[in-house]
Amino acid sequence: DIQMTQSPSTLSASVGDRVTITCRASQIISTWLAWYQQKPGKAPKVLIYKASNLESGVPSRFSGSGSGTEFTLTISSLQPDDFATYYCQHYNSYPITFGQGTRLEIK
Amino acid sequence: QVQVQESGPGLVKPSETLSLTCTVSGGSIGIYYWSWIRQPPGKGLEWIGYIYYRGTTNYNPSLKSRVTISVDTSKNQISLKLSSVTPADTAVYYCARDMGGVLRGPWGQGTLVTVSS
Repeated sequence: DIQMTQSPSTLSASVGDRVTITCRASQIISTWLAWYQQKPGKAPKVLIYKASNLESGVPSRFSGSGSGTEFTLTISSLQPDDFATYYCQHYNSYPITFGQGTRLEIK
Repeated sequence: QVQVQESGPGLVKPSETLSLTCTVSGGSIGIYYWSWIRQPPGKGLEWIGYIYYRGTTNYNPSLKSRVTISVDTSKNQISLKLSSVTPADTAVYYCARDMGGVLRGPWGQGTLVTVSS
C-alpha cells in the first residue's frame, strides 16, 4: 500500500493567515491526489482533486500543488469557516489511502 | 439531488458480524462506484472497499478476509458486512460515491458502530 504522510499534525493560525499543509507519498503517484476538509461530526468534503484542480463550489483561497511524491495544500487567507481537519488521499491505485490528517486550529 | 443514508445497528458484540446498509435517494446507484470508508473515534480515515453497480468489488487487503460489499439496484442500496469484529472495528462508517478514486460524494452522514460486549 502507498503510505501518505502529512505535516504538520496540528497547525495553529489566525484569520487572514496564509497556511500550507504538506503531504508526502511513499511512492510516485503522479498527480493522483485529493484533499478533503472535515468538520467535527461531518463527512469529509473534497476540496482539490488531481493535485491542483479546485472542486466546483470550493472557494478560490484554496489551492493545491505538487506531483510525484510531494504535495501541498495552501489556504491563502484563512477564514473562520476554514478551521477544520484536512486530509490528503492518493488514488493512484487501490487501496486508496489517506494521510493522518492536519488539524487547523485557531491561534 | 442525490442523498445517501447509512443505517444499521449501533452496537455489535465481538466476534459477530457488522451489517450496514447505504440507501441512495434522489437518484440511481447505477453507473457509479460506491465506497465504504470508516473512521475510528478521533482518528483518521480508512477505505474499506468499493462496489460497482454491476457488482464488481475491490476490498482493502487489510480487511479483505472479513469484508463483503453487495448491491441491490432494485432498492438503490449498498450493503456492508464485516465479520469477526473486535473493538478495533469501532468507528463511524461512511458510504460515498467513488468517482475514479475521488470520494466526491455525496457522502452519508455516517453511522457509529461500537463493538462491545
